[in-house]
Amino acid sequence: KAGVTQTPRYLIKTRGQQVTLSCSPISGHRSVSWYQQTPGQGLQFLFEYFSETQRNKGNFPGRFSGRQFSNSRSEMNVSTLELGDSALYLCASSLERSGGANYGYTFGSGTRLTVV
Amino acid sequence: GNSVTQMEGPVTLSEEAFLTINCTYTATGYPSLFWYVQYPGEGLQLLLKATKADDKGSNKGFEATYRKETTSFHLEKGSVQVSDSAVYFCALSPPSGGSYIPTFGRGTSLIVHP
Repeated sequence: KAGVTQTPRYLIKTRGQQVTLSCSPISGHRSVSWYQQTPGQGLQFLFEYFSETQRNKGNFPGRFSGRQFSNSRSEMNVSTLELGDSALYLCASSLERSGGANYGYTFGSGTRLTVV
Repeated sequence: GNSVTQMEGPVTLSEEAFLTINCTYTATGYPSLFWYVQYPGEGLQLLLKATKADDKGSNKGFEATYRKETTSFHLEKGSVQVSDSAVYFCALSPPSGGSYIPTFGRGTSLIVHP
């Protein structure tokens, strides 16, 4: 079966711009979570969506937002980009909420965002 | 709150050596425990899991046992290969139905030399 698909794979943006990243979860998975990965901070939780509702939110500024559609596909948006937003953004889907206690996550390959 | 502590890397081994990557956790209730692996340029992949105390997760020659008395979930492999070179993450997830955020360790880089 198809895995978690993230698009685009690579993105270069200028400070002050905004960006939208897309994630298509595994068919049947209703939970989609987003993580930011950087060498300095490791994996940081951004937010989780389940059945089109944001269920959890990490400690990120309001410039980071997301949404989930009725087909479970999700997008995240970052407005007014800063140099520090350069990171690998990972999407993870699960059958269950909160990271899937019984099944765990299936991650996508990520979107590498570079802000210049 | 919940936390996961992993040994600092990188761990450097020769092919066919024995591997242990330590992981300890702090959590309320009875979380599930996971090991994920990340190869260069890719996302994380679920390697193995254990959902209750004394469970042993295993996959591709890797094993880890959920030890509630020592709050540990150490990853082991009897004979590593060059292809095992990657970053390994220990993680915990709360019981289903909770509104808690899963917790990941900082990751441990493994380098295996031929």
